[in-house]
Formats: sequence, C-alpha cells, structure tokens
Amino acid sequence: EVQLVESGGGLVQPGGSLRLSCAASGFTVSSNYMNWVRQAPGKGLEWVSVIYSGGSTYYADSVKGRFTISRDNSKNTLYLQMNSLRDEDTAVYYCARETLNWYLDYWGQGTLVTVSS
Amino acid sequence: DIQMTQSPSSLSASVGDRVTITCRASQSISNFLNWYQQKPGKAPKLLIYAASSLQSGVPSTFSGSGSGTDFTLTISSLQPEDFATYYCQQSYSTPRTFGQGTKVEIK
Repeated sequence: EVQLVESGGGLVQPGGSLRLSCAASGFTVSSNYMNWVRQAPGKGLEWVSVIYSGGSTYYADSVKGRFTISRDNSKNTLYLQMNSLRDEDTAVYYCARETLNWYLDYWGQGTLVTVSS
Repeated sequence: DIQMTQSPSSLSASVGDRVTITCRASQSISNFLNWYQQKPGKAPKLLIYAASSLQSGVPSTFSGSGSGTDFTLTISSLQPEDFATYYCQQSYSTPRTFGQGTKVEIK
C-alpha cells in the first residue's frame, strides 16, 4: 500500500528555517516525480516544488532561492528545506507523488508550518 | 507561467443536481489537465486525469472533458458526499499551476 507521511512542521519565526520530511512506503521515491504543494489557511492549493526521478528540481517563483527539495534514497524520504521563512509561507504543506502520466495520485496528510513572531 | 482560471468560484446546488465547473488555461495545454476534490481538513484526492480519464475508484457520476485551453468537470447527479472544493491543475509545464478552486455547497 502506498503511503506518504509528512513531518517537521511547526512554529518558526520570520527569517528562520525548517526542514520538512515525507516518508514514503509502498513505492520508491527515486523512481517517481515527487512534489510539494502548500495551502495557506482558507486559501487554495499552491504548487511549490518538484524533483524528477533523474534529479532535476524546479520551484515556484515564490520560494525560489529559499527552498530546496531533495531526497534520501536510502531512507525513501523526500525533504523540503525551507530557509528565510516569511509570514506568507504559513500553510499546510503536502507531499505528493506524480505519476509518469503527469498527475498527483497519492498525497500525504499534510504538515502545518506557521511563520510568526 | 500558465494561469488556470476556474469558474464559478462557488456554487450552491441540491442533491441530484447536475453540476458543471469550468477551467480555462492561459495557453494551450493539450489534455494535460487534472481535477482534484478536497474536503475540509483533508488532502486533495485525484478525480480525473488527462482531462477525461476517471481515476480508479471514483464514481462514474464524475466526468471530464476538453482540450487545448477549455476544460469541464461535470457531476451528473450530485451526492451528499460530493460537497467539497474542486481544483483543476495543469501538468503541461512547470510550474504545475492550480486553479483557484470551486466550492460546491448545499443549497
């Protein structure tokens, strides 16, 4: 059974850093495209970042230069390193698997990041 | 970046109604269009991929159509469990942009 479990969220001050983790089971992270999607309180979905199976990475303009997506193949885990956090980064962060047919078929339960002083 | 615009932003409907949600892309995306359903406090769930393919396990009351820039999600007979927010997403290019969402509420 495919499962994605996020962790690492919490309260952080503006300018601070946080690393989110997404532990996968039932499939191999490195063989798939893996995405991070976020949702600010009461708002819609915002795509954040993707890492392709070949290792290429892409980011939304809103996080480029501040966030880094990566994976640990030995742990079958996806990460999102978030630096220079801003109030507007407050959101629930979801990891999601993207199939080779370009859709997000499995999502984690989400982890809440709150940026506030 | 490709902009995705959904309409309406919200709608009220009754059980049994036929509901149609529209999604328009700012440029042609062929059929690289997916639809998701989200209920409060839950992760999104894939309904339709490649514009018109029904995800396994999704009721056949859901259907999708369109190509190029204009797409439609149709619920042929609204059920109580269908009251939720619906999002389209283009997977033609990166960034993988979402529409702003359509909230389907009980009339």
